[in-house]
This record gives sequence, structure tokens and C-alpha cells, in this order.
Amino acid sequence: DTGVSQDPRHKITKRGQNVTFRCDPISEHNRLYWYRQTLGQGPEFLTYFQNEAQLEKSRLLSDRFSAERPKGSFSTLEIQRTEQGDSAMYLCASSPGGGRRKWGTEAFFGQGTRLTVV
Amino acid sequence: DAKTTQPNSMESNEEEPVHLPCNHSTISGTDYIHWYRQLPSQGPEYVIHGLTSNVNNRMASLAIAEDRKSSTLILHRATLRDAAVYYCILRGAQKLVFGQGTRLTINP
Repeated sequence: DTGVSQDPRHKITKRGQNVTFRCDPISEHNRLYWYRQTLGQGPEFLTYFQNEAQLEKSRLLSDRFSAERPKGSFSTLEIQRTEQGDSAMYLCASSPGGGRRKWGTEAFFGQGTRLTVV
Repeated sequence: DAKTTQPNSMESNEEEPVHLPCNHSTISGTDYIHWYRQLPSQGPEYVIHGLTSNVNNRMASLAIAEDRKSSTLILHRATLRDAAVYYCILRGAQKLVFGQGTRLTINP
């Protein structure tokens, strides 16, 4: 299957530790998105890449959060000095981009990484 | 980001049609209407999208009002596997902005 892959699926970490998540998008999708979802809420946008360029960051993305997509393929999301409030599901999505119908294309989501900060 | 309004929850019976409404009175002319659903413990899944005309695919139908200020997602024959949170999203920029969605319960 060539869907969006996220690793790990689950992560438990102690408060103050750093964590890194990986997302492998569908190949040839040049757009990649990170979202965060807490229980009972819809996903919240964090950041967006077009190829390797990070084009938009939400105000939710504090300076403890950093995302990269170094070669325009996989992406990593790092959280430094984790806090209990960072506990959430972190979702990655990818979509093809550009063209006349650029906002009429679907996004494909991964299964997410569930982070628990204890 | 233009806003959508959906009922918090809806309930239906298996094998019956389901009509999920969405209001988006501030939609702009270039906004596409997207629907996604999220099953328990899964990432969101694309269902359907449209701009002005009604759309059909293997999962559902999308009926768009003539003034585009509202739309309805139609599941023609609900199954237990359709129980999920359904999100109506206006997409006029790179990102999808999710609201709270409608939690759909299907009774056997």
C-alpha cells in the first residue's frame, strides 16, 4: 500500500523529553501537512510544506515545535521539552498540488501518532 | 478561513439514507466544499468534494444549494461502518480547516 505512513503509531514520553515523529507521504505528492487532534475535537492545522519549503505555520506551533521536510519527501515533526498539554494525536496528510483545480484535490491522511506525555 | 456549521450529532438506522447538512453562508466563489469522515482511531478520510454542481461517487453524493450557502452529504444506504465523525470543510487555500463535525450514529 502506498498510503501516508506515520511512525511511531504510539509514543509515551516523560515531561521535558524531546520527541520526533516521522511522516512518509504518498510519493509524488508535493504538499504535506501536519495536524494535531485532541480528544473530541477536530484536527487543528499546524504547518504545511510545498516540496521542501515550509509555507505556513499555525500560531499553535510554538517555538518548541519544529518541522522539516529536507528533500521534499518525508517530513519530521519534533517537539522539544514536552509538556502534558502536548498529549494528542499528530496527523500527517499529503496531497498533489498545483494545476487548475488546485483546491479541488483531496488530501490523504495517515493513521497518526498518538503522543502521551506523563 | 470561511466557517461551516454542522449539527453536533445525528442518528440513523442501518440501510436507510442519511442526509448530513452543512451551512456555509460566508463561502467565497473559489471555495471548494469538501467532506471528510473520521472513523474511531483513524485519520480523516476523504469522502467527496464539489464546487457548484452536485457530485456523486461510490461513497456518497453531495448536493450543493444553488446559492452555495449550504450543502448536504447524502449516504444512500447507511451501514454500521458509516458510523463516524463527518466534517464539512471549505477549501480556498492550501490547508483544510476542520470544525467540530457531525458525529453520526447508525443503529442496527
